[in-house]
Amino acid sequence: GAVVSQHPSWVICKSGTSVKIECRSLDFQATTMFWYRQFPKQSLMLMATSNEGSKATYEQGVEKDKFLINHASLTLSTLTVTSAHPEDSSFYICSASGAGGYQETQYFGPGTRLLVL
Amino acid sequence: AQSVTQLGSHVSVSEGALVLLRCNYSSSVPPYLFWYVQYPNQGLQLLLKYTSAATLVKGINGFEAEFKKSETSFHLTKPSAHMSDAAEYFCAVSDLTQAGTALIFGKGTTLSVSS
Repeated sequence: GAVVSQHPSWVICKSGTSVKIECRSLDFQATTMFWYRQFPKQSLMLMATSNEGSKATYEQGVEKDKFLINHASLTLSTLTVTSAHPEDSSFYICSASGAGGYQETQYFGPGTRLLVL
Repeated sequence: AQSVTQLGSHVSVSEGALVLLRCNYSSSVPPYLFWYVQYPNQGLQLLLKYTSAATLVKGINGFEAEFKKSETSFHLTKPSAHMSDAAEYFCAVSDLTQAGTALIFGKGTTLSVSS
């Protein structure tokens, strides 16, 4: 149990375009989803926290208008990188926690590697 | 505020040797502590977690960790390293008494295993 998927796993796009990344909890209801960013050889940095049906809470320094997060259902959250630039190239990882036995732990997706040319 | 310090960004061991990855935490409330493993180009996989039950926690792949409040530590160990254990390991702390609280990660420790 507790499987989280991300799609796509890899994406290459041109500068100025927008990219949407999906995060899905496959076998549990994710009341809270988190989006992290990871640079090479570094730890994960929290970008935002989203609760189902509510607006996401962004960490300091993260542009909410650039990184649009939607958590419209208990199994799906999306991160849209708008007007992507090369400096947005990174590894984006989502995680989810839910009600009941899934509350104490965050379950991570496999990550999405974004390359902006 | 909570924080995590992982001592040693890189640990190298021989196959069959003891693995010890160090993690110290700082928290003003009883912490929940986690160890995750990350293989190249993959997400994080939960190894084990401490949530105020038994102080010695056993996880997957033969790993275990002991919560020591007096030392504010949560070191990860494995008696005998295997080549497949080579990966990046992250220690994390959270206060999950509040629903939806995010994890605070350490900077990670790269484990190398030589034959």
